[in-house]
Amino acid sequence: DTEVTQTPKHLVMGMTNKKSLKCEQHMGHRAMYWYKQKAKKPPELMFVYSYEKLSINESVPSRFSPECPNSSLLNLHLHALQPEDSALYLCASRFQAGAADTQYFGPGTRLTVL
Amino acid sequence: AQTVTQSQPEMSVQEAETVTLSCTYDTSESNYYLFWYKQPPSRQMILVIRQEAYKQQNATENRFSVNFQKAAKSFSLKISDSQLGDTAMYFCAFMGWGAQKLVFGQGTRLTINP
Repeated sequence: DTEVTQTPKHLVMGMTNKKSLKCEQHMGHRAMYWYKQKAKKPPELMFVYSYEKLSINESVPSRFSPECPNSSLLNLHLHALQPEDSALYLCASRFQAGAADTQYFGPGTRLTVL
Repeated sequence: AQTVTQSQPEMSVQEAETVTLSCTYDTSESNYYLFWYKQPPSRQMILVIRQEAYKQQNATENRFSVNFQKAAKSFSLKISDSQLGDTAMYFCAFMGWGAQKLVFGQGTRLTINP
């Protein structure tokens, strides 16, 4: 089972709104990721949580605030976003066992900022 | 820093044909992982195949196989008996051994025509 779930599938928000994206995995993976993807481009890494601690922050603006309440759940809190933040937001979790090491992605949240 | 290059922005083949997508990468590491991910218009990023650099044998998954040339730093994906459902953006990705980050290529948009 390599399922990562994300909610909501679509989100439209104004620049003054506060919203949150949610990601869950129940595979026992201990690292989870947020990526931002613009159309026809590869995903860009935003944040990495390893064992519920933030281990990588790719200099993302503070209007994006990640949270990892437990090893199965990853949130991305959004506040005062700009229209250029409109994108597909992908969550991934990382499977590591012996020599195997792979990231599995969720279906994404399509965010539109008006 | 590692880089991944996909030299074919777009490709188009007829159903049932065989198609090969190219990927080259640059790294000074000797141990690492290489991946091909598929992203259909439905936008979910799906793992197609994984290769560990220490393995000489090329990975295969049903109709998908890779040609891994470590010395040449080349990692091409072959799709045999292509199907309409193979239409997608394909991303080649690199991850160093023990690293947390995936390095993606720019992607190849593959269209399978009926």
